[in-house]
Amino acid sequence: AQSVAQPEDQVNVAEGNPLTVKCTYSVSGNPYLFWYVQYPNRGLQFLLKYITGDNLVKGSYGFEAEFNKSQTSFHLKKPSALVSDSALYFCAVRPQYNFNKFYFGSGTKLNVKP
Amino acid sequence: ETGVTQTPRHLVMGMTNKKSLKCEQHLGHNAMYWYKQSAKKPLELMFVYNFKEQTENNSVPSRFSPECPNSSHLFLHLHTLQPEDSALYLCASSQDRGSAGLGGTEAFFGQGTRLTVV
Repeated sequence: AQSVAQPEDQVNVAEGNPLTVKCTYSVSGNPYLFWYVQYPNRGLQFLLKYITGDNLVKGSYGFEAEFNKSQTSFHLKKPSALVSDSALYFCAVRPQYNFNKFYFGSGTKLNVKP
Repeated sequence: ETGVTQTPRHLVMGMTNKKSLKCEQHLGHNAMYWYKQSAKKPLELMFVYNFKEQTENNSVPSRFSPECPNSSHLFLHLHTLQPEDSALYLCASSQDRGSAGLGGTEAFFGQGTRLTVV
């Protein structure tokens, strides 16, 4: 079965500190992996994706994510958090041979304190 | 602005009402999706359309009826809903290149319709 797990409901970090939002996945075949961010009462905004190639991918707003095949993880990172990064973050996986579906995690609420 | 527009943004309806949600994408994509987002639950995929044809119905109750007249428009017709159907309904689109394993493109989401069933 295909699934995505975000083990933390909430992550708290001080402004200026590095942040990590965790994601692990289970999917058949090679995964296509995505991170999205959602602000209150808004739709999801695409941040970055991993399709193939370099395991470290860079995305919008200074975010990056590292694909680790052996650990089936795709953690989202940022070297220095901003208060404006506070939002709900979703990890998603799209199976290589089931392109009709995006499987989303339950989301992680990121709180960045000044 | 992502190129995916949903209307209305907010909707309050009674359990005996009939209403429709509308989604329009200006990206030239060939796949469109309806998702339901409830508090503290993963996004639930409801329906998928590819080239106007429904390719996925994720065991959605018949009180939700999708319609896709063309690749740019997607509707969700609602009737005799229950209070537990209150949620944020999100539309998304993507460009799918077929079953050749090239489905790597991201989905673009609309702002959502906040539905409250009273």
